[in-house]
Amino acid sequence: EVRLVQSGAEVKKPGDSLRISCEASGYIVTANRIGWVRQLPGRGLEWMGLINPGDSDTRYNPSFQGQATISADRSIGTVYLQWRSLKDSDTAMYYCARRTDWDEGHAFDIWGQGTMVTVSS
Amino acid sequence: DIQMTQSPSSLSASVGDRVTITCRASQTIGTYLNWYQQKQGQAPKLLIYAASRLQSGVPSRFSGSGSGTHFTLTISSLQPEDFASYYCQQSYSSSLSTFGQGTKLQI
Repeated sequence: EVRLVQSGAEVKKPGDSLRISCEASGYIVTANRIGWVRQLPGRGLEWMGLINPGDSDTRYNPSFQGQATISADRSIGTVYLQWRSLKDSDTAMYYCARRTDWDEGHAFDIWGQGTMVTVSS
Repeated sequence: DIQMTQSPSSLSASVGDRVTITCRASQTIGTYLNWYQQKQGQAPKLLIYAASRLQSGVPSRFSGSGSGTHFTLTISSLQPEDFASYYCQQSYSSSLSTFGQGTKLQI
């Protein structure tokens, strides 16, 4: 079964650092890019960026560039989203998702269950 | 950036109704358009890719159409499990994708 399993919910204080993870299984991990999507409480989906686990080539939405870092460890099929210094405004649900490419385009066809990050003093 | 605008933002309907949601792109994107469904408390689910191609396992009451800048998602006969939020996404840009703001479908 193709799956993306994310790490558990986090409660942090402003200024804390954090790394959340997304472990892929059931397919050749280096064959697909994996992206991160943010969902603020009660709001819509925002495309943050994505990484090719095979060579760690990473693309960011300019709105998120410098705010968080995407990385990967292909040896264990895991992708990460990391913050150096969290802000209250980072409170959100974060989803990882597998991107599959076709001749007609690409889409996120497999999603993780989401990781809720709460930042509060 | 390519901006995606959905309408309406919310929609009330009944079981058995035919419902259409619209998505417009700020520039032409061919058929590089996907639709997702998100139920409360769940991760999004891919329904349609390439504007009109039904993802495996998705009921045939869902259909998509359009090209260029104007796209539609149609649910031919609403079922109770279809009440959810729906998002379009452009996949024209390989390195920067964007979602519409979402449409909440309510009873």
